[in-house]
Amino acid sequence: EADIYQTPRYLVIGTGKKITLECSQTMGHDKMYWYQQDPGMELHLIHYSYGVNSTEKGDLSSESTVSRIRTEHFPLTLESARPSHTSQYLCASSEPGQGSGYGYTFGSGTRLTVV
Amino acid sequence: GENVEQHPSTLSVQEGDSAVIKCTYSDSASNYFPWYKQELGKGPQLIIDIRSNVGEKKDQRIAVTLNKTAKHFSLHITETQPEDSAVYFCAATKGSGYALNFGKGTSLLVTP
Repeated sequence: EADIYQTPRYLVIGTGKKITLECSQTMGHDKMYWYQQDPGMELHLIHYSYGVNSTEKGDLSSESTVSRIRTEHFPLTLESARPSHTSQYLCASSEPGQGSGYGYTFGSGTRLTVV
Repeated sequence: GENVEQHPSTLSVQEGDSAVIKCTYSDSASNYFPWYKQELGKGPQLIIDIRSNVGEKKDQRIAVTLNKTAKHFSLHITETQPEDSAVYFCAATKGSGYALNFGKGTSLLVTP
């Protein structure tokens, strides 16, 4: 059972609105990530965080922002939604510890439609 | 960013046959290679992974092989079952860090 939660699951919103997609995990993971999944299923890294007060942009240019004030919470905000933001957004976290590359646990995603 | 290429994009096999999905990566510093299975309406789930100091790993019907010299790794599913039908993603670390680059996915269909 997943210990990473994304809300809402589905969201339809008008152009120009500000929205925040929520992501929380109860596993104590330091590392958290946001991916955008396009209709062709490809996953694009848009933001990541390696700990509190640490955030980085990913490879895909994004008009979103993130914050990491608490270990368990990693919200994604769109200041002004546009139809081009319509997509599935997936949040993930990974295990802390020595070395690198521990497997992700993904949330179930938020499917965003901007009309 | 660094690329992970995945082939084929679609794969159809009969129940009981084997399925093989192949990936290549370009970042020579990548050191961890997980595979994910995504079912409709769900987030991807880790099914098997391999580190750069290992050549092969097996877990029941699933195995992964890694050739670091050639920068490619493969997923092998034996004795496929209809419930194996899903989209499968390979991934590789961005350098020696924690973030992952994903392949474009393979849609596997196992027909009874």
